[in-house]
Amino acid sequence: QVQLVPSGAEVKEPGASVKVSCKASGYTFTNYGFSWVRLAPGQGLEWMGWISPYNGNTHYAQNFQGRVTMTTDTSTSTVYMELRSLRSDDTAVYYCAREGGDSSGYYFQHWGQGTLVTVSS
Amino acid sequence: QSVLTQPPSASGTPGQRVTIYCSGSSSNIGSHIVNWYQQLPGTAPKPLIYRNNQRPSGVPDRFSGSKSGTSASLAISGLQSEDEADYYCAARDDSLNGWVFGGGTKLTVL
Repeated sequence: QVQLVPSGAEVKEPGASVKVSCKASGYTFTNYGFSWVRLAPGQGLEWMGWISPYNGNTHYAQNFQGRVTMTTDTSTSTVYMELRSLRSDDTAVYYCAREGGDSSGYYFQHWGQGTLVTVSS
Repeated sequence: QSVLTQPPSASGTPGQRVTIYCSGSSSNIGSHIVNWYQQLPGTAPKPLIYRNNQRPSGVPDRFSGSKSGTSASLAISGLQSEDEADYYCAARDDSLNGWVFGGGTKLTVL
């Protein structure tokens, strides 16, 4: 079965960077794209961007362009999300989500349990 | 402010039918399929409805989705206490060139 195992919680100071990961198993890693979605306290879900483990192509949400980098390591079936210049409002749970579906419609089929990132001085 | 608009809360009694609406525009719901996600307290979101009205395996047929124009809805019939959760709609958006979510609806079973 598909499993997405997130990295552990992080505490960062404002201005720092954080890199969270999600290790996938139970399927062929390069066959499906990943998105990162975050949930901040009192807010709704927010899509941050997408990466293809097949060729490394990325597409970032406008709100995060210039501040986020998504990468993959196919040797370990792991996806990474680095967020720089952290602010207090970046405090959130960060989820990796593997897509499912096909060209007639994609959706976030499998989700990791999330990584809590706390930004505080 | 979320691109897709949902009511912040909804409620119903056990056995009742509840409908949650999601409003968008021509650049998102009007042009793309809608997906719905359920987030139970303390857990990750899980897909509930995809491609407007399809249920992933394991999702009870008490849950149904529909779309018309620039709006979509999620209906839950035979409401149960375990349905207490946050529900989010999502769609691709052509103007933003990415996925957008509704602000979420917190469902309370009275």
